[in-house]
Amino acid sequence: GAVVSQHPSWVICKSGTSVKIECRSLDFQATTMFWYRQFPKQSLMLMATSNEGSKATYEQGVEKDKFLINHASLTLSTLTVTSAHPEDSSFYICSARLAYEQYFGPGTRLTVT
Amino acid sequence: AQTVTQSQPEMSVQEAETVTLSCTYDTSENNYYLFWYKQPPSRQMILVIRQEAYKQQNATENRFSVNFQKAAKSFSLKISDSQLGDTAMYFCASVSSARQLTFGSGTQLTVLP
Repeated sequence: GAVVSQHPSWVICKSGTSVKIECRSLDFQATTMFWYRQFPKQSLMLMATSNEGSKATYEQGVEKDKFLINHASLTLSTLTVTSAHPEDSSFYICSARLAYEQYFGPGTRLTVT
Repeated sequence: AQTVTQSQPEMSVQEAETVTLSCTYDTSENNYYLFWYKQPPSRQMILVIRQEAYKQQNATENRFSVNFQKAAKSFSLKISDSQLGDTAMYFCASVSSARQLTFGSGTQLTVLP
């Protein structure tokens, strides 16, 4: 089956610093990847749609200057949380689309101290 | 716009018993897909079962089956012979030509020994 990796699996950073999360499709090419945020015991909230070679499409209410998305190749999308604050602490999940299905990475737990 | 509704925040079932999780959806599209995802404590999203809307036959994957009622826009998941490893959050989701998943709010299922 299609596999998506995500790195790192967890990260702790200090307030004001930036952190980058990588999402890779390991055995297929994905022109479209998605980034989600998930709070405990809640559903996945779509943050943005990442398209290879073009600008990401952000959902309403998501700060594009804070959550920078780059989809530089057909197998890699990155999410950079800039000037992180404690309220950015969350679980971030990426997925890669293949036809009508999405395959999910294992997620990244971000803690901002 | 698509909406997906899961009205059961929490459910429990005895090991080896059968449980049904409910899901209703709304869409104006004719061509769409429906999914059930499982998110165990590891938080990795795992596809449980998929259903193409144009197929009348209900999808089945081993102990998991769906009851797809297209006219009623209902898509319930039945888990037979429940196992402890089935304990997880279950999300119902739909996708259509917009190509992004719409998730329900989730149902936390606990299998009791």
